[in-house]
Amino acid sequence: GAGVSQSPRYKVAKRGQDVALRCDPISGHVSLFWYQQALGQGPEFLTYFQNEAQLDKSGLPSDRFFAERPEGSVSTLKIQRTQQEDSAVYLCASSFALAAETQYFGPGTRLLVL
Amino acid sequence: AQTVTQSQPEMSVQEAETVTLSCTYDTSESDYYLFWYKQPPSRQMILVIRQEAYKQQNATENRFSVNFQKAAKSFSLKISDSQLGDAAMYFCAYSTGTYKYIFGTGTRLKVLA
Repeated sequence: GAGVSQSPRYKVAKRGQDVALRCDPISGHVSLFWYQQALGQGPEFLTYFQNEAQLDKSGLPSDRFFAERPEGSVSTLKIQRTQQEDSAVYLCASSFALAAETQYFGPGTRLLVL
Repeated sequence: AQTVTQSQPEMSVQEAETVTLSCTYDTSESDYYLFWYKQPPSRQMILVIRQEAYKQQNATENRFSVNFQKAAKSFSLKISDSQLGDAAMYFCAYSTGTYKYIFGTGTRLKVLA
């Protein structure tokens, strides 16, 4: 595709609801990254996929956060039992290979938990 | 642990003037990569410029250039002939060449007409 796309762009959830955020990386990009960006902060690493393998999930804040990329392209970040502190922008990025490569970012999903 | 510090939360520049955004980082690594990303209000992060630490020559991309001081661990971004479209959040980022980027807290640049 022309760029990284994410959906939905905005999501409002009631505390306790489950949400699923989708990322479509650039076609052919091997690596996919999820970041969390709190208001007024820089993005913080959540997790990394190389093709379908999740090689690092050390940044996931709790076991309520789960990410998958079953066929090595589209990825979904799922948050179970959302809490107010989960409110943030979730950014997806992809790169052709490994991280010395430039990461290309999507527009993000703004999640608001009420 | 590696850290990236952007000490200027906000900067303003007159259109057509030059502005410099500061970034310092802390690392014990000798090989790494540094990046400046621009994030306009639409929130899509766009790469502005990147620098490999092993290269002594400062990177340049049109109106954007960096002043990379490896010993001082400083990586500032200079924007020349500022344009209204340059208004955005600018993030400095560091990577060891593995997959993790570490971002600073950002500098909001305002361009005054």
